[in-house]
Amino acid sequence: SQTIHQWPATLVQPVGSPLSLECTVEGTSNPNLYWYRQAAGRGLQLLFYSVGIGQISSEVPQNLSASRPQDRQFILSSKKLLLSDSGFYLCAWSVLPGARTGELFFGEGSRLTVL
Amino acid sequence: AQSVSQHNHHVILSEAASLELGCNYSYGGTVNLFWYVQYPGQHLQLLLKYFSGDPLVKGIKGFEAEFIKSKFSFNLRKPSVQWSDTAEYFCAVTTSGTYKYIFGTGTRLKVLA
Repeated sequence: SQTIHQWPATLVQPVGSPLSLECTVEGTSNPNLYWYRQAAGRGLQLLFYSVGIGQISSEVPQNLSASRPQDRQFILSSKKLLLSDSGFYLCAWSVLPGARTGELFFGEGSRLTVL
Repeated sequence: AQSVSQHNHHVILSEAASLELGCNYSYGGTVNLFWYVQYPGQHLQLLLKYFSGDPLVKGIKGFEAEFIKSKFSFNLRKPSVQWSDTAEYFCAVTTSGTYKYIFGTGTRLKVLA
């Protein structure tokens, strides 16, 4: 069966420090991969998605970047964190939307606090 | 651009009350619709989904949703809620030919025992 792993689960970082959140998917090939940020009262904001290795689409211009160095690995990064980057980050995967199994499967999430 | 609106941000119900959570989307083409639930301390999980066919979709735990194309709506219903339904509920939409899943702002449901 497919599983998704996301780490670290919790992270406290000072302003200006770098960030790296990792996500890996097991049990499937060629998944579409997503990074969302969840904020109270604001739902899930799509940050990046990727349909293949090295292919990244950015939805919201901001202080973050994403990379997909391997088929089932998705990384969210920042060179210098801002206070406003604090939040709950979710990784998710899916097969091609529109198919019968085209739902999103979510990881456990990573809570980032920037001080 | 696609968007999803969930008008009820917080809902408080007593056990056995009926539930209806609103969801409206803005897109004129073919859509796929989802309801996700996030129980306290748990990750997001799928309640139900609509791709095509019968507009009344049944999901897990007694939930159902009705797709009304003319109203651009996909409301979630449950005839009788339980305390264990306390959670945050998210509506989401994706469209054929795209890879983006757009979520609403969520509705926090609290069920009083």
